[in-house]
Amino acid sequence: AQSVTQPDIHITVSEGASLELRCNYSYGATPYLFWYVQSPGQGLQLLLKYFSGDTLVQGIKGFEAEFKRSQSSFNLRKPSVHWSDAAEYFCAVGPNTNAGKSTFGDGTTLTVKP
Amino acid sequence: DTEVTQTPKHLVMGMTNKKSLKCEQHMGHRAMYWYKQKAKKPPELMFVYSYEKLSINESVPSRFSPECPNSSLLNLHLHALQPEDSALYLCASSGNGAPSGANVLTFGAGSRLTVL
Repeated sequence: AQSVTQPDIHITVSEGASLELRCNYSYGATPYLFWYVQSPGQGLQLLLKYFSGDTLVQGIKGFEAEFKRSQSSFNLRKPSVHWSDAAEYFCAVGPNTNAGKSTFGDGTTLTVKP
Repeated sequence: DTEVTQTPKHLVMGMTNKKSLKCEQHMGHRAMYWYKQKAKKPPELMFVYSYEKLSINESVPSRFSPECPNSSLLNLHLHALQPEDSALYLCASSGNGAPSGANVLTFGAGSRLTVL
């Protein structure tokens, strides 16, 4: 069975500081990994994805994530956080076929201090 | 067009009402999804349609009835709901052909449902 763990329920960082959100997954085969962001009252937006190849992937809004198979991790990073990055962040693992079931972590709430 | 459009944005209904949520996409995606999301929780999968056929039903109560009239439209018919069904209902779609499109979900902004 697939599962995703986001160990940090809530993270607070100062504007301009660096950010790392943790994600650990359990999956029987090669995982397809995703990070989504959700602003209050909105749907989820894809930040980045990993399917194969280079383990460091770049996404939108200056985010990047690194896939580490040995640690079953896919942590999200940003070198300098902006106030507009305050949101809920979800890590997800999905199958390699369309119309399958993705599994989401419980999410991490990011608060940005001025 | 890279959007999933959901209507209405807000819906208030009584427990005896019948209402519908609508979802539309024009990206040529062949899979469409309904998710339910409670506050401070991840989305929970309800239904998946693949090529306009229901492929996954996550044991959702029959008071929720999905419908996929064509490849661009997805409806969720609501009847005799309970107050605990109040939530944000998210529609999503995804393309076909691994790996570039496999399960990359494009979400709508959601329909906020309140059941009185």
